[in-house]
Amino acid sequence: GAVVSQHPSRVICKSGTSVKIECRSLDFQATTMFWYRQFPKKSLMLMATSNEGSKATYEQGVEKDKFLINHASLTLSTLTVTSAHPEDSSFYICSASPFLRESQETQYFGPGTRLLVL
Amino acid sequence: GEDVEQSLFLSVREGDSSVINCTYTDSSSTYLYWYKQEPGAGLQLLTYIFSNMDMKQDQRLTVLLNKKDKHLSLRIADTQTGDSAIYFCAGGSGGKLIFGQGTELSVKP
Repeated sequence: GAVVSQHPSRVICKSGTSVKIECRSLDFQATTMFWYRQFPKKSLMLMATSNEGSKATYEQGVEKDKFLINHASLTLSTLTVTSAHPEDSSFYICSASPFLRESQETQYFGPGTRLLVL
Repeated sequence: GEDVEQSLFLSVREGDSSVINCTYTDSSSTYLYWYKQEPGAGLQLLTYIFSNMDMKQDQRLTVLLNKKDKHLSLRIADTQTGDSAIYFCAGGSGGKLIFGQGTELSVKP
């Protein structure tokens, strides 16, 4: 149980284009989903927290107009990198948090999406 | 805010025990977590410990928590080459997870 998928797993795009990444919880409903960015050999940097049906909460320094997040249902969140530039190249990982009585912080992670902007 | 620190590298021989250490600053974390990340993959939840526990054992994994010193450790018994990965500790606070930098575990045959 607690499987999270991401699509696509890898994407290469031209500078200036937009890229959409999907995150799905496959066997549970996620009240909250998180989007992280990870640079090589580095820890995860939380970009934003999204709750179904409401606007995402962005971390300091993350441009909300550049990284659009939509959490349309309890099993799907999308991250759109708009007008992508080479510095946006990174590994993007989503996670989903089911509502558990024991812990509201337990997160299950997707396999990640490798974005390369040329 | 929360700060989580880990040593960056650990190298062990196959069959030995591995101990990965983590220190944190925010004592309000309800749970503390260990995640494993293999190359090019997402994070796999290995285990977690409730903050009022001192120890949790799950097969080859033993988690020790010293709340006084704000120190968390993960012991992997009989380490195998398949255990080679990056291990992240994380503390939960306000619904968010704060991750350490990750410890790269290298297991030599």
